[in-house]
Parts: sequence; structure tokens; C-alpha cells
Amino acid sequence: SQQGEEDPQALSIQEGENATMNCSYKTSINNLQWYRQNSGRGLVHLILIRSNEREKHSGRLRVTLDTSKKSSSLLITASRAADTASYFCGRVDSSYKLIFGSGTRLLVRP
Amino acid sequence: EAQVTQNPRYLITVTGKKLTVTCSQNMNHEYMSWYRQDPGLGLRQIYYSMNVEVTDKGDVPEGYKVSRKEKRNFPLILESPSPNQTSLYFCASSPRGRIYEQYFGPGTRLTVT
Repeated sequence: SQQGEEDPQALSIQEGENATMNCSYKTSINNLQWYRQNSGRGLVHLILIRSNEREKHSGRLRVTLDTSKKSSSLLITASRAADTASYFCGRVDSSYKLIFGSGTRLLVRP
Repeated sequence: EAQVTQNPRYLITVTGKKLTVTCSQNMNHEYMSWYRQDPGLGLRQIYYSMNVEVTDKGDVPEGYKVSRKEKRNFPLILESPSPNQTSLYFCASSPRGRIYEQYFGPGTRLTVT
């Protein structure tokens, strides 16, 4: 499969805790993106990390990229109930197709 | 307001009855795409378009058609829907050179009986 794989498939944490999600992929990339999807709604682009970057921050989000291991992680610090959503990693392949992983469902308990 | 719109949002139809799901964006984006989302399978790309009159197959194009006669519109056509096309469909667009930065529509939930 060309799709990336997110890990874990589901994650349940208490409000205030940190949430870490991982993404693995199989082919080389120019960049990798993370998206968020609230239940039944469209995806929202969160952050992009380029292949020459190792870490990137945006507010409470921290993304890392290890191209040698073909993996990325998304860390949400000090989680809130409103962070409850599914999170997907995505990458553009050589045919200009955007390929998504199967996602991690995050539940933040109040 | 910059947005991607889809219509209808919900549709229940019967096998074999042709249908069209419309998608329109008001951001002058070159790239547009259709995805379907099924439990456990994530999002899979059906078709995409790099610009007007340019369309290409994604990973799951069978049973679907698209057209891109205008920059803003990218309708998805199911000539003869079947129950295995029951799914949640998303249209998305992105600006030139930034395919990774896709703006998604609200989704169309299709049920084929």
C-alpha cells in the first residue's frame, strides 16, 4: 500500500496531558503534512514539515521528521477536550497525488 | 469567505440511478481532488485535476467520472452507482505549487441501496 500508517489507531488521554501520534511511510518524500478531522467533517491542514527539517512547532503542536526511519510524529501539548478529533499524516507522491494514512482517533477526556 | 462547497450534503439513492455531486471553490485554486472515506481505510483519492481540462485517476477511480470545464467546479459523476460506493465523499482544492495544502469541503454522505 502507498498509504502511510498512523500509530496508534486510537488514543484516549486526560485533558492537560500530551498526545503523541506517529506516522510511517514507505517512499521518499519532499514534505509531509498533518491534518485534523473533526467527526464527519472535512480535513483541516495543520502543519507541514519539509524533508530537510527535523522539527517544527506551531502553537501547541510539535512535529518531528526522521527521514532515515521514514517516520514522523505529531505531539499535542497540554491537550484540551476540543482537540478530540482524528489526525492524519499526508504526503504528495511523484504523480501529484496526496496520500493519507488511516489516521489516529484522539479522545481527550475532560 | 474562502471555501469549498459540495452539494448535496446527504444523498440516499438506489443502485443504477445516475447521480452527480457538485464541488465548487472560490479561491481560484488550480488543483482539485475527490476523496472517499471509509471506516478503517482512511481517505482514498478518486480523481484529481491539475487545472482546467486536465484530470487524472487517483487510487480508486473505478465507477466514477469527473470533468473540469471551469476552474472553480469539479463535479463527481456516478453513472451507475452500486452499494459499494456508499461512503463519505470529500472534495478538496489547493493553490498552484502547494498541493499539500488542501482545503476540504464539508463532505457528502452517500448511501446507495
